[in-house]
Amino acid sequence: DAGVIQSPRHEVTEMGQEVTLRCKPISGHNSLFWYRQTMMRGLELLIYFNNNVPIDDSGMPEDRFSAKMPNASFSTLKIQPSEPRDSAVYFCASRNPGGQETQYFGPGTRLLVL
Amino acid sequence: KQEVTQIPAALSVPEGENLVLNCSFTDSAIYNLQWFRQDPGKGLTSLLLIQSSQREQTSGRLNASLDKSSGRSTLYIAASQPGDSATYLCAVASGSNYKLTFGKGTLLTVNP
Repeated sequence: DAGVIQSPRHEVTEMGQEVTLRCKPISGHNSLFWYRQTMMRGLELLIYFNNNVPIDDSGMPEDRFSAKMPNASFSTLKIQPSEPRDSAVYFCASRNPGGQETQYFGPGTRLLVL
Repeated sequence: KQEVTQIPAALSVPEGENLVLNCSFTDSAIYNLQWFRQDPGKGLTSLLLIQSSQREQTSGRLNASLDKSSGRSTLYIAASQPGDSATYLCAVASGSNYKLTFGKGTLLTVNP
């Protein structure tokens, strides 16, 4: 299996632009997570999907952030408009059915908003 | 609200030394505790997962213990090697959705 796939790996954009991050979970996994990692705050859960349905979006910082999972093999995290404080590494992770299993992380997207 | 703390924030040791990384959490109502490794510029790799009913897990030179009642876990690395250099993150799963709460990690450097 190729593992969790994220694209792009690096993104540099200007303030105010729309940014779309993409994730393909491991086949057969029914849970998908989006995290943000910064030096100051560490790794934070943004949103969690189960069977393509958003279950917990309490970590989404504000309305500029939105996430979708149109099918079991694809998810997007969109920031519109982007701001410099959104600069971070964004990780996607997926998990087997059943909450007791570990999560498998993608390589991350390093976002820099100028 | 669950909070996870890792001590120390950074650790530098000579090759061959045994070492212990510490993790503490505030809410003992957890499902499991996991230790992850993160290499620079990479994602997280799961090392060990301890269920709440277990006391420890071992994988090769790694041993993780869990004391749920006191809210503590340790990761023991035996005979450290330069290839062990990475950031080690502790995470606890709690809540109705098995949400993971992460510590900020311990940056380990093993010097040849």
